[in-house]
Amino acid sequence: GENVEQHPSTLSVQEGDSAVIKCTYSDSASNYFPWYKQELGKRPQLIIDIRSNVGEKKDQRIAVTLNKTAKHFSLHITETQPEDSAVYFCAATRGSFDEKLTFGTGTRLTIIP
Amino acid sequence: DTAVSQTPKYLVTQMGNDKSIKCEQNLGHDTMYWYKQDSKKFLKIMFSYNNKELIINETVPNRFSPKSPDKAHLNLHINSLELGDSAVYFCASSHMGEQYFGPGTRLTVT
Repeated sequence: GENVEQHPSTLSVQEGDSAVIKCTYSDSASNYFPWYKQELGKRPQLIIDIRSNVGEKKDQRIAVTLNKTAKHFSLHITETQPEDSAVYFCAATRGSFDEKLTFGTGTRLTIIP
Repeated sequence: DTAVSQTPKYLVTQMGNDKSIKCEQNLGHDTMYWYKQDSKKFLKIMFSYNNKELIINETVPNRFSPKSPDKAHLNLHINSLELGDSAVYFCASSHMGEQYFGPGTRLTVT
């Protein structure tokens, strides 16, 4: 089955600086890679995703890159703000209805004002 | 117009009791899930249903029994609750891999 590793487990960044979270996956058939943000006491929320037919996707201050050859993908947050503080999860799946989403172990991001 | 809803939000109960958590989605998705999130924040899938049929059943004690009366609902019944069952349980629904989570149910077993 799929195995997703996520690093780092904790990350502290000065407000305004950039943050990068990296994930690797094991199943070369995985083709959908979402990122979730979970604020304290809240549900995980999809913030950005990428499918295997593209190498990069951007949405305002967040971007995701995918390297299928190396089987890794990364989340980039630029110009970080205090409201970016949360736990971030990466995930991978083959994307069909009977394939589960395999989550990374999460990164607790703290933005220092 | 909540997309995925769960009830109750909090559940405090004693060991040995039986409890149920209900989940409903109005997104029209065919696939629904139950996840358990422990104190370390790890998200572990428990079950997945597609169109009322069980398609994923991870290594979960048989004290946990999901039921899907229709594709918009997936309920979770837990028998003989144990201390280790204390966690946040999230329901989710998905289409083409995109998953949307419910608000979670914080279960505390004393």
